Amino acid sequence: NAGVTQTPKFQVLKTGQSMTLQCAQDMNHNSMYWYRQDPGMGLRLIYYSASEGTTDKGEVPNGYNVSRLNKREFSLRLESAAPSQTSVYFCASSYSLTSDTQYFGPGTRLTVL
Amino acid sequence: EDQVTQSPEALRLQEGESSSLNCSYTVSGLRGLFWYRQDPGKGPEFLFTLYSAGEEKEKERLKATLTKKESFLHITAPKPEDSATYLCAVQASNDYKLSFGAGTTVTVRA
Repeated sequence: NAGVTQTPKFQVLKTGQSMTLQCAQDMNHNSMYWYRQDPGMGLRLIYYSASEGTTDKGEVPNGYNVSRLNKREFSLRLESAAPSQTSVYFCASSYSLTSDTQYFGPGTRLTVL
Repeated sequence: EDQVTQSPEALRLQEGESSSLNCSYTVSGLRGLFWYRQDPGKGPEFLFTLYSAGEEKEKERLKATLTKKESFLHITAPKPEDSATYLCAVQASNDYKLSFGAGTTVTVRA
């Protein structure tokens, strides 16, 4: 039981490049989330998926797209990376949107030059 | 808009020196208040959920309490392994989203 896994752990991009961050969970959770964490700020929700087949914008969705590939996998895509997207990205999952516990992955540290 | 403010930003303790972290919040109806622990380079790890004023939860040297405006995380006789960043988050009763504070970084020296 690996919980929530994320790939890659580290990534460096040049401005304008694209990439996809991968996330998978093996806890049979229905809801999945993407957050970003910046120094001095709390975790901010980018996008979420309440259940397989649905996705919705969170607090800071601009510049990102997501795909809920199946119940296990939720990917985050940066189409044209910008330096402002330099951050640590966390994927999380929970049984439902109103569950009292979200389980987080280990994070992806992204630097955009 | 939901707001969560944690204080202090950083806390340096001697091993065995008990202290408290504060989480002040404003939310339109509280569904739950959450405490997470985050180690450097890792994702947040769930500690507690509190649902109503007066509720308390304990885990080893940690005890979380809740009032209508704030929550405290008390660390009793801390050990170096308690060093981490502690995050507080709230979930409103009419929303799904967790609103996080910036965290308190605790360093416990042996």
